[in-house]
Order: sequence, then structure tokens, then C-alpha cells
Amino acid sequence: EAQLLESGGGLVQTGGSLRLPCAASGFTFSSYGMSWVRQAPGKGLEWVSAISASGGSTYYADSVRGRFTISRDNSKDTLYLQMNSLRDEDTAVYYCAKLPDGSGRPETFDVWGQGTMVTVSS
Amino acid sequence: DIQMTQSPSSLSASVGDRVTITCRASQGISNYLAWFQQKPGKAPKSLIYAASSLQSGVPSKFSGSGSGTDFTLTISSLQPEDFATYYCQQYNTYPLTFGGGTKVEIK
Repeated sequence: EAQLLESGGGLVQTGGSLRLPCAASGFTFSSYGMSWVRQAPGKGLEWVSAISASGGSTYYADSVRGRFTISRDNSKDTLYLQMNSLRDEDTAVYYCAKLPDGSGRPETFDVWGQGTMVTVSS
Repeated sequence: DIQMTQSPSSLSASVGDRVTITCRASQGISNYLAWFQQKPGKAPKSLIYAASSLQSGVPSKFSGSGSGTDFTLTISSLQPEDFATYYCQQYNTYPLTFGGGTKVEIK
């Protein structure tokens, strides 16, 4: 069974940085694209970023482009989200999600992690 | 960006009711439309992809239809475990976008 486990969330000051890992298991991680989706408290879902299976293609929402970096280590079956210059509005639960395809083309999500909470506050 | 508009934003229904949720895209997205269910404090669960295909393990009481700009999610006979918030998502182009959600509550 495919599983995703996020970690690394916590309280960080405005302007600070945080890196979120997402450990994958139960599937061939290197064959699938991956993504991050976030949800602010009491709000809906917002797509953040995606990466192809090889890591060669990356995509970002305008709200995070230039501040967040998605990456992956296929030798460790782990996805990352490096978040810099954090703002109060980045406060959210961050989910990693598996894409059903490895190409990096726009896709939906077939497996989700349980999420990790990031709180940005001055 | 493609805007996804769900209606209604919330609804009250009884166990056994047939429920329909609508999702409209601001431009044509072919059938690149997915539906998710989310319960409080939990991660979203994938229900439907390609507008009408059920994810593995999803019961057949859920069905999806539509193409182009107008889509629907139908729950044929609402059960207590179906009370949740439902989201649509387009994957025709980046950025990927979600509808605002429809909260299904117990009447």
C-alpha cells in the first residue's frame, strides 16, 4: 500500500525558513511525479508545487514562486519542500501527494499524506 | 489561471438522500477533472479522476459526469460516513486549481 509521511512542520517566525520532508513507501517512488498541496486553517485546498519523477521538471503556484523550492531524492524515496521568506499567509497544513504519472504534466493526486502543520508568526 | 466554482457551498441532507454537487470551470478542461472527499482533521481522499472514473476502492454510490466546463458529483444514497466536504480539481493546465468546496451536513 502506497504511503506518504510528512514531517518538519512547526512554528517559524515571519521571514524565516523551514524544510518539509515527505517519506514515501509502498510504491516505486522514482517512477511518479509528486506534489505539495496546502490548506490554511478553515479554508480550502491550494496547490503549491509539483515535480516530475526524475526531478527535471518543477512547477509552482505564483504565491510561492521564488520563495519555495521542491526537490526529491529518489535514492531516499523522499520529497522535500524548502520554504524561505515565510509569510503569515503561508500558515497551513502542508500535504504531500503522489501523482499517477511520472512525466510532470498536469495531473491529479491519487495518494495523500496525513499533512504537517506550519505556523508562521511574528 | 482556470477558476473552479462549486455549488452549493454547503447543503443539508438526510441519510438515504441522493445528492448532487456541481463544479464549473472558467474555461474548457476536457475531462481533466477530479473529485476529493475530506473529513474534519483528515487528509483529502481521492474519489474520481477523469471526470467519471472511480479511484480503486471507492464505492459505486459515487459517480461523476461532465466534460468541458460543467461537471457533477452524485452520491446515490447518502450514508453517515459520507458527511464531509467535497472538492473538485482541474488538471488540464498548471497551476492546478481546486473548487472552494461543498460541505455536506446532516439534516
